[in-house]
Amino acid sequence: GEDVEQSLFLSVREGDSSVINCTYTDSSSTYLYWYKQEPGAGLQLLTYIFSNMDMKQDQRLTVLLNKKDKHLSLRIADTQTGDSAIYFCAEIAYSSASKIIFGSGTRLSIRP
Amino acid sequence: GAVVSQHPSWVICKSGTSVKIECRSLDFQATTMFWYRQFPKQSLMLMATSNEGSKATYEQGVEKDKFLINHASLTLSTLTVTSAHPEDSSFYICSARVGSKTGELFFGEGSRLTVL
Repeated sequence: GEDVEQSLFLSVREGDSSVINCTYTDSSSTYLYWYKQEPGAGLQLLTYIFSNMDMKQDQRLTVLLNKKDKHLSLRIADTQTGDSAIYFCAEIAYSSASKIIFGSGTRLSIRP
Repeated sequence: GAVVSQHPSWVICKSGTSVKIECRSLDFQATTMFWYRQFPKQSLMLMATSNEGSKATYEQGVEKDKFLINHASLTLSTLTVTSAHPEDSSFYICSARVGSKTGELFFGEGSRLTVL
């Protein structure tokens, strides 16, 4: 079945870059997403990438997709305290009837 | 971007009562809405897919008589937790899809249910 995996925690120093990694198993994935969840809130779509792309950049965010290895990463440049949140990787795949499958989320904490 | 509104944001109820949570797409029509449940410090678990004008499709292990879903219009889906018990306490989040099967999903802010 479909599976999306992420590491649970990441701690970075303020001003450094954060790189959050994600692996998925379904090769029929079409869209891959990164969502941000702040405490007690819903999900905010940060960015997404279509499966025929290798990279997408949007201001401080860079998404890299290695389709061969089924690996997705999110890089946040110049990480700020406001970036503290849980980041979810998610995929939509034809084999899952176009449902969205989420990873477990990576909790990003920022240290001064 | 598109806005999805959930109501209520917080609800506390006694064990045995039923609670209804609304999910509205405010500026677009959503033929498909999804309901998720999130346990503390865990990811989202898809509960069901709600299609306007038809019965919801429930994921394996989700009791459809316990979690009633109604998608009466293109802008409103409701989740009713019937005869709620403390183990139903959770954060429930809905999302609505714009357009096609691979269209962008927009999420509500979530509803936190606490059953005493």
